[in-house]
Amino acid sequence: DVKVTQSSRYLVKRTGEKVFLECVQDMDHENMFWYRQDPGLGLRLIYFSYDVKMKEKGDIPEGYSVSREKKERFSLILESASTNQTSMYLCASSPGQASSYEQYFGPGTRLTVT
Amino acid sequence: AQTVTQSQPEMSVQEAETVTLSCTYDTSESDYYLFWYKQPPSRQMILVIRQEAYKQQNATENRFSVNFQKAAKSFSLKISDSQLGDAAMYFCAYVGSGGYQKVTFGTGTKLQVIP
Repeated sequence: DVKVTQSSRYLVKRTGEKVFLECVQDMDHENMFWYRQDPGLGLRLIYFSYDVKMKEKGDIPEGYSVSREKKERFSLILESASTNQTSMYLCASSPGQASSYEQYFGPGTRLTVT
Repeated sequence: AQTVTQSQPEMSVQEAETVTLSCTYDTSESDYYLFWYKQPPSRQMILVIRQEAYKQQNATENRFSVNFQKAAKSFSLKISDSQLGDAAMYFCAYVGSGGYQKVTFGTGTKLQVIP
């Protein structure tokens, strides 16, 4: 079974702190994604990566950056956390081209910025 | 840009009954995939069912089936014989067949199953 893990289930940070959210997948997937989930807004794509060191902006990249130094690991970075970044963050992975396009999700990190 | 609309924020169903969740989408592409994902409370999101746009036959997975109307851009999920474990957020999702598999999600429908 595909396993996607995230470094923390719950995280509390102060405004202005630099925050790292880590995601690891164990199925050699090419694609990895970071979403933000808010009530009434569904899942919104922050960034995605289709290969090591490659990244593309999603729909709401402002205030975030990402890093993918190894194929299995995709990090989301909040350079200077703000209260409006309080949210649930979901990581996902999927195989490369010519695949089923199914995404496999991690358990999520609920981030609170105070 | 593609959009996915789920017009029912919340729904409820009696255990053992049937419920249908609605989803519409907008796209100019002819080849794409549609999904229903389930997110149980405090648990990971998982795939429920997938439909390829080029297939006319509606997908079915046990108690879950879809009604895919390509011309109307409609993709509803029917859950038969509802069980308590079906209680969850359900998200409809769209992905085009080309590019980097960027997925567009709807806003979700919270399904309550009443014993």
